[in-house]
Amino acid sequence: ETGVTQSPTHLIKTRGQQVTLRCSSQSGHNTVSWYQQALGQGPQFIFQYYREEENGRGNFPPRFSGLQFPNYSSELNVNALELDDSALYLCASSVGERTGGSEAFFGQGTRLTVV
Amino acid sequence: GDSVTQMEGPVTLSEEAFLTINCTYTATGYPSLFWYVQYPGEGLQLLLKATKADDKGSNKGFEATYRKETTSFHLEKGSVQVSDSAVYFCALRDGGATNKLIFGTGTLLAVQP
Repeated sequence: ETGVTQSPTHLIKTRGQQVTLRCSSQSGHNTVSWYQQALGQGPQFIFQYYREEENGRGNFPPRFSGLQFPNYSSELNVNALELDDSALYLCASSVGERTGGSEAFFGQGTRLTVV
Repeated sequence: GDSVTQMEGPVTLSEEAFLTINCTYTATGYPSLFWYVQYPGEGLQLLLKATKADDKGSNKGFEATYRKETTSFHLEKGSVQVSDSAVYFCALRDGGATNKLIFGTGTLLAVQP
């Protein structure tokens, strides 16, 4: 059983550029959530995908978008990068749309630096 | 909206000392509560969880009890080790339409030999 893997691990982009981050969910998991963790802060929920559809979104602008593929892997896209987008981006996979106390498994994260 | 408040760090302890990290929450429903741990350069790992009032979650010597009357979920360990040095996050899931987790700001624990 493979865990949650994210790529790339580190990325440097220039303000105004676009970026795509990738996540492979744990085997058997059909739900992927994305979080942004600024330095010294707790993770903030960006959005969740369940069976290829977005089914929940946090307080992030539309320039943050995503996709989930038939194999349940996922992408996070950020357009028009701003300096404040610099953060660790975490992907978490789980089973089911609403699973109460079930466990979300996190990847190692992608460290994005915007200069 | 729902929120989680953790004690600020860093918390610095000597090996074998007793650990308490305070966590309180605000939620309109009946959330599930979690403690996650983040080691340097890594993602989050679930440490323990509790899904209803008076439940006690435990793992690797850590414990936390879901206290509805005080809206708290304090993390405790009787004897910390150097290897416990990490950032600890308290979180809740509100049982709504998604699996969204709401995290506290994290507490850095540094254990000295």
